[in-house]
Amino acid sequence: GNSVTQMEGPVTLSEEAFLTINCTYTATGYPSLFWYVQYPGEGLQLLLKATKADDKGSNKGFEATYRKETTSFHLEKGSVQVSDSAVYFCALMVNTGGFKTIFGAGTRLFVKA
Amino acid sequence: DVKVTQSSRYLVKRTGEKVFLECVQDMDHENMFWYRQDPGLGLRLIYFSYDVKMKEKGDIPEGYSVSREKKERFSLILESASTNQTSMYLCASTPGLLVSYEQYFGPGTRLTVT
Repeated sequence: GNSVTQMEGPVTLSEEAFLTINCTYTATGYPSLFWYVQYPGEGLQLLLKATKADDKGSNKGFEATYRKETTSFHLEKGSVQVSDSAVYFCALMVNTGGFKTIFGAGTRLFVKA
Repeated sequence: DVKVTQSSRYLVKRTGEKVFLECVQDMDHENMFWYRQDPGLGLRLIYFSYDVKMKEKGDIPEGYSVSREKKERFSLILESASTNQTSMYLCASTPGLLVSYEQYFGPGTRLTVT
């Protein structure tokens, strides 16, 4: 089946620290991979995506590389800011028996000044 | 700019009431989705629609129904609200059925059933 597993939170970092949020997936077929971010009181918004193996998605200093060999899509940022405090969701979309997006459980990030 | 709006940000209803949650998108998107979001469970798909008057069950359709009479509007209906339907409800849309398309989300409706 299709599933997404991401590291449990919360993750608490100091400003300017390095961030990694791990995400691994299982999929039948050939998925696209996404990271969405949810700021407090808002809906989800796309942070970045990758549609084929070895693609790197990037946005706002965040990066993630589609690794087919390790079925992973880890989110990284070199220097976090307080404004990055949010919940981050890893997701895949696959077309097997109908288009479907599968979301991970979400990882809450707190960044302290 | 892409926009998905939901009729209420917060809603409090009593057990047994019929509840309507409305979602409107202004992007001429084909597909619309309803999810519920619960802590530790991520987002779970309730229903989706790939065309006007068309609907498909998601992973947790029990206790819910939907209506899509116009392309831009997708309504979620709780026929008889129960306390276990207390949750955050998120509407989303995509322009078509390609795996590369991201979803555009509304701000969410936090529903409390007492």
